[in-house]
Amino acid sequence: DTEVTQTPKHLVMGMTNKKSLKCEQHMGHRAMYWYKQKAKKPPELMFVYSYEKLSINESVPSRFSPECPNSSLLNLHLHALQPEDSALYLCASSPLGIDIQYFGAGTRLSVL
Amino acid sequence: DQQVKQNSPSLSVQEGRISILNCDYTNSMFDYFLWYKKYPAEGPTFLISISSIKDKNEDGRFTVFLNKSAKHLSLHIVPSQPGDSAVYFCAASGGAGRETSGSRLTFGEGTQLTVNP
Repeated sequence: DTEVTQTPKHLVMGMTNKKSLKCEQHMGHRAMYWYKQKAKKPPELMFVYSYEKLSINESVPSRFSPECPNSSLLNLHLHALQPEDSALYLCASSPLGIDIQYFGAGTRLSVL
Repeated sequence: DQQVKQNSPSLSVQEGRISILNCDYTNSMFDYFLWYKKYPAEGPTFLISISSIKDKNEDGRFTVFLNKSAKHLSLHIVPSQPGDSAVYFCAASGGAGRETSGSRLTFGEGTQLTVNP
């Protein structure tokens, strides 16, 4: 089973809203990732968690706040987003030391 | 600065023929390369990978070739099938820290492959 589950699949929010994206995996992977993908562009790494601790932050604005409550769950809290933050947000996981990452289907976010 | 480049935005081939997708990279620190396939409304799906210590890796209809001196890799699909129609991303990783911090993948911009029946 190489499944990474992301909810919701679609999200529309206003610029003053607070919302959260959720990601779950049960493969025992100790590294989890958030990527952002704009239309016709490659996925861009945002955050990496290793053993539930933030290990990489690719200079992401503070209106994006990641959280890893346990080894299976990864959240991305959103607050005061801008319309240019509209994108597909992808979660992935991998064993540590292994480069192959397994992706969820993503959350399509629209900021109005 | 785009460190991984896929210069062909699209490729169209006939069913049964060979599909060749190309990827170039600039960062000499990259030591592991991956290909992902992406269908609309789905996340990228891992396809095949190769370490920099090898020059070829094969898995069924899919073969990846790596030319380190040219900083070039290619994905060959033989024979191509209509179900292979998707966007293919090349990705690269490298540098220390993957055992403790996780791996950092850098993706190319993707090639839309269309296999015509």
